[in-house]
Amino acid sequence: AQSVTQPDIHITVSEGASLELRCNYSYGATPYLFWYVQSPGQGLQLLLKYFSGDTLVQGIKGFEAEFKRSQSSFNLRKPSVHWSDAAEYFCAVGAGSGGGADGLTFGKGTHLIIQP
Amino acid sequence: GAVVSQHPSWVICKSGTSVKIECRSLDFQATTMFWYRQFPKQSLMLMATSNEGSKATYEQGVEKDKFLINHASLTLSTLTVTSAHPEDSSFYICSAWTAGGNYGYTFGSGTRLTVV
Repeated sequence: AQSVTQPDIHITVSEGASLELRCNYSYGATPYLFWYVQSPGQGLQLLLKYFSGDTLVQGIKGFEAEFKRSQSSFNLRKPSVHWSDAAEYFCAVGAGSGGGADGLTFGKGTHLIIQP
Repeated sequence: GAVVSQHPSWVICKSGTSVKIECRSLDFQATTMFWYRQFPKQSLMLMATSNEGSKATYEQGVEKDKFLINHASLTLSTLTVTSAHPEDSSFYICSAWTAGGNYGYTFGSGTRLTVV
């Protein structure tokens, strides 16, 4: 069974500073990888996803993530954070066979705090 | 883009009553729909997977008689929490999958259920 580890429960970053949120996954085959953002009491918004191809993925709101198979990682980065980026971030893994029949397995999330 | 509408966004019900939550894909046909549960400040846990016209597949530990799922069409899935109790209070989120286009997994905005 697949699993996702987000080792940082909370991260505090100053506005304008760079950001990296860590994500490690465990899956036997080629995974589908996702990053979602959730504001309090809201649903999930997709930031970016990796299915195949270029291992550096560009997403919305200036986010990017890099798939590193050798490290089983899919870390999320942003060069300069804005106060509006404060939220909960979830990394998720799905079956890599293209099978949408499988639900996603989520990490525990990282709570991002932006300091003025 | 793909939009999933989830209704209601919040509901308060008395212990022992049943509550129905609807999840609709507005501009695409969802091959598969998923239901997740999220406790406060925790991650999303997959409850069940439903395919149109088929019985839902429940994850281990999820009571299928308590959480009734109906997926009558390619655009509508419903989750009914039967004989709700306070421990069923949670945030429920649906997700729709389509293999077409670039949609992948699209999430609803969630339903906050409070059982009193």
